[in-house]
Amino acid sequence: QLQLQQSGPGLVNPSETLSLTCIVSDGSISSSDYYWGWVRQPPGKGLEWIGSVYYSGTSYYNPSLKSRVSPSVDRSKNQLSLKLRSVTAADTAVYYCARGTFYYDSGTYLRGPLDFWGQGTLVTVSS
Amino acid sequence: EIVLTQSPGTLSLSPGERATLSCRASQSVSSTFLAWYQHKTGQAPRLLIYGASSRATGIPDRFSGSGSGTDFTLTINRLEPEDFAVYYCHQYGSSPQTFGLGTKVEIK
Repeated sequence: QLQLQQSGPGLVNPSETLSLTCIVSDGSISSSDYYWGWVRQPPGKGLEWIGSVYYSGTSYYNPSLKSRVSPSVDRSKNQLSLKLRSVTAADTAVYYCARGTFYYDSGTYLRGPLDFWGQGTLVTVSS
Repeated sequence: EIVLTQSPGTLSLSPGERATLSCRASQSVSSTFLAWYQHKTGQAPRLLIYGASSRATGIPDRFSGSGSGTDFTLTINRLEPEDFAVYYCHQYGSSPQTFGLGTKVEIK
């Protein structure tokens, strides 16, 4: 059974780099049937997509964060990572890693939504 | 960027009633790439519906999704106590992917 075990610093100083990891328990990180995403939720606000990483290595990012964000996948460690540079108080949020699944529908191979999420890590940006 | 507007912001209902949640997109969304999530405080979001109308694995049939183009609906028939939560629509076909601001379904 899939578990996404998230870890992170909890508190980050302004202007520094936020680093998060997500351990994938079931080996699916090595399958091209899946892709991986990061989503965050600032306190009292809605969900914001950060970016997605595909088996091919292709990544897509939210333009609002693109210049500061670096998601990556390390299959040897069954681990996803996210780095967000030059953080400010506006980056305070619960950060989620999640897995998305590709599936067939009427013979067409489609990308599904993020269908399994980690429990989230609260990161506070403050000095 | 596709903006998703959810309404109402809060829905106050009693167990056993039907909830109808709306999600309107600022431009047409392929129904293949429209999802709904349930989110409870302190928990991971739970995928309910993908492809606008397909239930995710293990989701009870009281949850149903419909719609196309710019207007989508999540219907919860016969609300159970565990259904009171925040619900988000999500489009994942265009980058950046976007979420609505959510509809809170609360106990009346």
